[in-house]
Amino acid sequence: GAVVSQHPSRVICKSGTSVKIECRSLDFQATTMFWYRQFPKQSLMLMATSNEGSKATYEQGVEKDKFLINHASLTLSTLTVTSAHPEDSSFYICSARNGVGTGELFFGEGSRLTVL
Amino acid sequence: QKEVEQDPGPLSVPEGAIVSLNCTYSNSAFQYFMWYRQYSRKGPELLMYTYSSGNKEDGRFTAQVDKSSKYISLFIRDSQPSDSATYLCAMRANSGGSNYKLTFGKGTLLTVNP
Repeated sequence: GAVVSQHPSRVICKSGTSVKIECRSLDFQATTMFWYRQFPKQSLMLMATSNEGSKATYEQGVEKDKFLINHASLTLSTLTVTSAHPEDSSFYICSARNGVGTGELFFGEGSRLTVL
Repeated sequence: QKEVEQDPGPLSVPEGAIVSLNCTYSNSAFQYFMWYRQYSRKGPELLMYTYSSGNKEDGRFTAQVDKSSKYISLFIRDSQPSDSATYLCAMRANSGGSNYKLTFGKGTLLTVNP
């Protein structure tokens, strides 16, 4: 199946710093990528939809100035958690939609963020 | 009522058992139904994809969709310890584009004991 790479897989940072997470589609072009957040024993919650070459669309309740999303190319989207605080600690997962075939979503391995 | 309801378990079965996982939903606009498997601290992996009502089989996995009851199921035959994971149902209404929004269940944690 299609491969989506996410980096870093784990990051620990101090409160107040910013953290960037990268999501790459390795073997297909993804015009649309999605960013999810998952708390322990909870489902995936969609944070935002990232469209190549345009602004991201954020879900209700997600602060766009807090979670900056850039989708500069057809294979790369980045999520930057700005001025991170302990409550931002979570598992962040990206997904990319393959525009051919069933067009279903393929997920990255996730990035576990811990803010001290 | 949440849009998608899924019993979080945990569900523990012996190796070789038939496993039945299910979700109910309230949004009648959902047309596309998926099952994802998620191992601990990993991203979800697409297992099954079904459009509208009906059955779909892939190896030991069978997905069923009953739109009249708003109920979907995933059956695992001859379960193996390697099947131990969290299983997430997901569904969406439209056919694609940038509004490609999946709604997930909470996931059911399955353990298959050798």
